[in-house]
Amino acid sequence: NAGVTQTPKFQVLKTGQSMTLQCAQDMNHEYMSWYRQDPGMGLRLIHYSVGAGITDQGEVPNGYNVSRSTTEDFPLRLLSAAPSQTSVYFCASSSATGAGGYTFGSGTRLTVV
Amino acid sequence: TQLLEQSPQFLSIQEGENLTVYCNSSSVFSSLQWYRQEPGEGPVLLVTVVTGGEVKKLKRLTFQFGDARKDSSLHITAAQPGDTGLYLCAGGGNQGGKLIFGQGTELSVKP
Repeated sequence: NAGVTQTPKFQVLKTGQSMTLQCAQDMNHEYMSWYRQDPGMGLRLIHYSVGAGITDQGEVPNGYNVSRSTTEDFPLRLLSAAPSQTSVYFCASSSATGAGGYTFGSGTRLTVV
Repeated sequence: TQLLEQSPQFLSIQEGENLTVYCNSSSVFSSLQWYRQEPGEGPVLLVTVVTGGEVKKLKRLTFQFGDARKDSSLHITAAQPGDTGLYLCAGGGNQGGKLIFGQGTELSVKP
C-alpha cells in the first residue's frame, strides 16, 4: 500500500523555468490538496480538489496551476518559477468522510535560484 | 479568511514535564485535527475532534475541542524525548476538502 507518492523528492530550478510536481494516491480518496511549508508558517494551502474534474484555490494559489483528470493523480504546475517559490511542497489526500484525516506524501524540496 | 493561531511557536522542556499547546480561531470549524511531523517527513494524523467540548486521549496526549468549536488544545503529560517534533492543528469541514493549518509548535524534549 503506497499511500501518497510524490515525485521528485528534490528539484533545483532556475528563475523562469516551469515544472510539474507529481502526486498520486492509491487509496481511492476523493479529496486531494497541495500545501507548501515554509519555516514558521506551518502548511499553507495552494490548491485543492474534491473530485476528478473539480479544483479550487487555497490560500496561496498565485503562480501555480492544478488539474484533476483522474481520482488518483493531482499534479501541481509551476508556470514560471520564482525564488519566492522555494519551499517544501506536500501533497495530501483524504476520503470525503474525513475519516482517518489527510494522508501526506513525503514532500518535494524545491529550490529556485 | 479562516485563520488558526497556534501557541506557543517554540517549546523546549525537560523530560517528565507537562505542556499544553493551544490552537485558536475566530471561525467555527466542523472538525479540528492534530498532526505530528518529524523532519523530512509529511505530517501524520494524531486525532480528529468533531463535537464541541469533546475530549480525546491518546496515551499521554489529551486533546480538547472548545465548546464553541473555535479552539482546541493538546496537553502532553510527562513528556518524553520521543515526543519531540512539530505539532500542527488543522481546521476543516466548512468547505469540503479544505483543511487549514496553524503555524505549528516546535517541541523539543530534552532527556
